[in-house]
Amino acid sequence: NAGVTQTPKFRVLKTGQSMTLLCAQDMNHEYMYWYRQDPGMGLRLIHYSVGEGTTAKGEVPDGYNVSRLKKQNFLLGLESAAPSQTSVYFCASSLLSSGSSYNEQFFGPGTRLTVL
Amino acid sequence: AQSVTQPDIHITVSEGASLELRCNYSYGATPYLFWYVQSPGQGLQLLLKYFSGDTLVQGIKGFEAEFKRSQSSFNLRKPSVHWSDAAEYFCAVGNNDMRFGAGTRLTVKP
Repeated sequence: NAGVTQTPKFRVLKTGQSMTLLCAQDMNHEYMYWYRQDPGMGLRLIHYSVGEGTTAKGEVPDGYNVSRLKKQNFLLGLESAAPSQTSVYFCASSLLSSGSSYNEQFFGPGTRLTVL
Repeated sequence: AQSVTQPDIHITVSEGASLELRCNYSYGATPYLFWYVQSPGQGLQLLLKYFSGDTLVQGIKGFEAEFKRSQSSFNLRKPSVHWSDAAEYFCAVGNNDMRFGAGTRLTVKP
């Protein structure tokens, strides 16, 4: 049981390049999330998914796209990277709890992205 | 709109001393509140959560937090800090569309 894994761990891009970050979870969780973490700003939600084939915007969605083609995977794409997207990206997943709506999130180890 | 404020960017305490980390939130309905801890280079780990019931909640590693609706606060406490508690602590509010505070970095002096 690996929990939440993220690929790659580190990446350096040039401005204008594209890339995809992969998040995978083996806990059969319905919900998945992408966050970015910047110094002094905590974590900010980029996009999230409440199930296979569905996605929704979070607090800072601009410049990013996501896809959830399989329940266990959540992809984050940068079509044209900008220096402002230099950050640490965290993926998380949670199990839908229909009774209380309680939603503990389990986090991956993060991807450090630098855009030059 | 929901938001979280952690007034203290950095706190230093001596090992064995008590600890309180402050968290204030803004949320339209009954809040779901969380405290997470992040060690350097790691992801976040849930310490404790509140979503209903007893306003004093116990978490892992000897931490507890108290929900005070009248003060819109959810402060984290620990009676005796250990050197291994040095980390960054994040308060969060919400459900799927969660909002995190900016974090409080805890340094523990020997």
